[in-house]
Amino acid sequence: EAGVAQSPRYKIIEKRQSVAFWCNPISGHATLYWYQQILGQGPKLLIQFQNNGVVDDSQLPKDRFSAERLKGVDSTLKIQPAKLEDSAVYLCASSLDPVPYEQYFGPGTRLTVT
Amino acid sequence: QKEVEQNSGPLSVPEGAIASLNCTYSDRGSQSFFWYRQYSGKSPELIMSIYSNGDKEDGRFTAQLNKASQYVSLLIRDSQPSDSATYLCAVKRGQGAQKLVFGQGTRLTINP
Repeated sequence: EAGVAQSPRYKIIEKRQSVAFWCNPISGHATLYWYQQILGQGPKLLIQFQNNGVVDDSQLPKDRFSAERLKGVDSTLKIQPAKLEDSAVYLCASSLDPVPYEQYFGPGTRLTVT
Repeated sequence: QKEVEQNSGPLSVPEGAIASLNCTYSDRGSQSFFWYRQYSGKSPELIMSIYSNGDKEDGRFTAQLNKASQYVSLLIRDSQPSDSATYLCAVKRGQGAQKLVFGQGTRLTINP
């Protein structure tokens, strides 16, 4: 079974530029998550999708971050404009169902904002 | 107070010994608990889940849950150098909440 796919793996941009990340979940997984992991910290949930709909985006900085999951499969996360503090690893995860919450992570995208 | 707290370490354990990792959580209504292993530069990998009080064993790993004390732990028996990683505790909060909250992780080093 193929795992969660993400691209790109690495991205370096200047502040105020825009960037987009792509995620394809495990086949059949209805729930998709985007996390931000800053060095030395645990992952922080940015947004959770159940099929096409948003379940939780309470920690998404909506003035600069946006995400969509068209057709209930793959998803994109965009940052525009980027700030220095956005430097982090962006992790995508998926689960078969919201319950029992066993989530499987992709390899992540390491973003550096200079 | 953080929702999920872990000692950031580093925790150093000799090869072959038992490594004990601890996690406390603040939401008494929390229902599901997970341990993830994260190697340096890699993404988290699920290694254990536990939902009810007591112990759950899987190979060299044992998860322990005490809801009254709001405490969950992970024991690694016969520690190997390949167990050196950061271990993340994750908690699903109570009824109606759907997200996992992660601790900051404990960095474990197994010394040969």
